[in-house]
This record gives sequence, structure tokens and C-alpha cells, in this order.
Amino acid sequence: EIVLTQSPATLSLSPGERATLSCRASQSVSSHLAWYQQKPGQAPRLLIYDASNRATGIPARFSGSGSGTDFTLTISSLEPEDFAAYYCQHRGKWPPGATFGQGTRLEI
Amino acid sequence: QVHLVESGGGVVQPGRSLRLSCTASGFTFSNFGMHWVRQVPGKGLEWLAVISSDGKTDYYADSVKGRFTISRDNPKNTMFLQMNSLRAEDTSIYFCAKEPPFWGSWFDSWGQGTLVTVSS
Repeated sequence: EIVLTQSPATLSLSPGERATLSCRASQSVSSHLAWYQQKPGQAPRLLIYDASNRATGIPARFSGSGSGTDFTLTISSLEPEDFAAYYCQHRGKWPPGATFGQGTRLEI
Repeated sequence: QVHLVESGGGVVQPGRSLRLSCTASGFTFSNFGMHWVRQVPGKGLEWLAVISSDGKTDYYADSVKGRFTISRDNPKNTMFLQMNSLRAEDTSIYFCAKEPPFWGSWFDSWGQGTLVTVSS
């Protein structure tokens, strides 16, 4: 079973700063990694798929990189609405179950 | 526009059963695999189960295997999660999530969730 470990657990930054969030897989997941943003009381929202592809409607300040076991979500210049929880996620073809990281809380 | 709506949550006693529904619109439901994911309020996301587009294949997390059953009714654009022998630790918000076209490892749409509280 693949385990995803996110760091840091909490990241305290200010609007306009750059945020760098990490996700490490216990074994290679190739580029099969996604990132989600979740605000309180809302469902997760897909940001990045296949490690580096922005989902439809996601601003260009969000970018993803990495392959194999080490992945990064970067927010180039934080906007007030970006303060939320972020999760990485992997799913393989078989078994078809998914795994989530434990999350990073991005706070002001 | 894709729309997923969960229903069926509520308060249930330990050991009892509950069936959740996820009603889909805005896409051809029968073409996509579907999943259930849950989240204890304020905590992280836990994947639970997947069902193939034709309903013939399913797969479960160890935490719910043997207690929960995923199913779907394609003509009614609805997916279900039958939850039996509920425990206090099953208290969570339950989300349904959709796979993207042509198999992708991510979930491109989510419902807003339905809260299940297991308590005596």
C-alpha cells in the first residue's frame, strides 16, 4: 500500500508570499499524483492532476511538479482565498483504490 | 455542468444500517467510475470504495470491507453506499466523487457531502 506523506502539516504565510507544499510517496507513483484544495464546509476542489497539469479554471499561480516519489505544489503569490487545506492523492490502475496525504493547512 | 448530490445521511445508532445515495447530472453517468470518500470533520480524507462504470467491479478500503457495499443504478444516474454494522468511528462526512474520462488517477468532480453521525 502506497503511503503519501505531506509536509509541513501547517504552513503560516502572508498574502503575496510564495507557498511550497510537499508530498512524498512511499514508493514510485510515476506522475499519477493530484492536488486538491479544500475550504471549511466545502468539498475538495481539484487543482492539479498528473503531477503538473492545472485543472480547468485553476489560476496560473498554482503549479505542480515532481515525479516518482517527490512532488511539490507551489502557489507563486498567495491570494487571501488561497488559505485552506491542501491534499495530495494517488490512485493506480490496480488495485483501483486511492490514497490521500494527511493534508497541509495553509494559514495566515 | 457536472453535479453530484449526496443524500441519506443522518444520525444512526451503533450496529444499525444506513444507505447513502449520490445522484448525478450533467454528464453520461454510465460512462464513468465512481467513488466514495469520507472525512471526519476537521480531519483528512479517507477513500472508501470504487465502482466501475458498468457496476460489475468494485473495490473497498480495508476499513469498510465486509460492512459497506457500493452499487449503482445507471438508468437512474445514482450510486449508493450501503453501510451496515455502523460504528462510532464511521461518523464522517461522506462524499461521492467522479473519475475523469479515459481513466485518470484523479477525481474531477465531487459532491458537497452528507454527514453521517453514529451515536446512541
